[in-house]
Amino acid sequence: DAGVIQSPRHEVTEMGQEVTLRCKPISGHNSLFWYRQTMMRGLELLIYFNNNVPIDDSGMPEDRFSAKMPNASFSTLKIQPSEPRDSAVYFCASSLSANNEQFFGPGTRLTVL
Amino acid sequence: GESVGLHLPTLSVQEGDNSIINCAYSNSASDYFIWYKQESGKGPQFIIDIRSNMDKRQGQRVTVLLNKTVKHLSLQIAATQPGDSAVYFCAEIGNQFYFGTGTSLTVIP
Repeated sequence: DAGVIQSPRHEVTEMGQEVTLRCKPISGHNSLFWYRQTMMRGLELLIYFNNNVPIDDSGMPEDRFSAKMPNASFSTLKIQPSEPRDSAVYFCASSLSANNEQFFGPGTRLTVL
Repeated sequence: GESVGLHLPTLSVQEGDNSIINCAYSNSASDYFIWYKQESGKGPQFIIDIRSNMDKRQGQRVTVLLNKTVKHLSLQIAATQPGDSAVYFCAEIGNQFYFGTGTSLTVIP
């Protein structure tokens, strides 16, 4: 298995633009997590899904952030409109179930100018 | 809110010495703990885990100790190597998921 796949690896955009981050979890994993990592706040859980259903989105900063998981092999994290303070590395992770080891993707480095 | 925190943000050790990285947690309901290693430009990578019904678990060159009385978790790396240089996170899994801020380990050749 190729592991968790994320795209793009790097994204530079201007304030106000829409940003869409993509994730393909490991096949057979039932839980998918979106994290944001910054120097100031470390690694923060934004949202996680079990069997494609959002379970906990309390970490989503505000309404500008939304996440979907239309099927077991694909998820998106969308920011609209983006702001400079959204600049961070966004990681997607998957696991067999919510209380198991999480496998992380390589991350998407987002820069909002 | 409850959170996971690290005692030491940075740690430097000589190659061949043992390293100990500490982590405090505050959620008594957490029943699963994981140590992750993150190298520059990469995502966190699983090192070792421990469930709350255990107080010690060993892997290859790594040992995790769990003290539920004082809510403390530690990662011990034996014979530290330059390739061990990275940021290490503890993660607390229960009804919620928390990651510590990380400890940066530097191995001096």
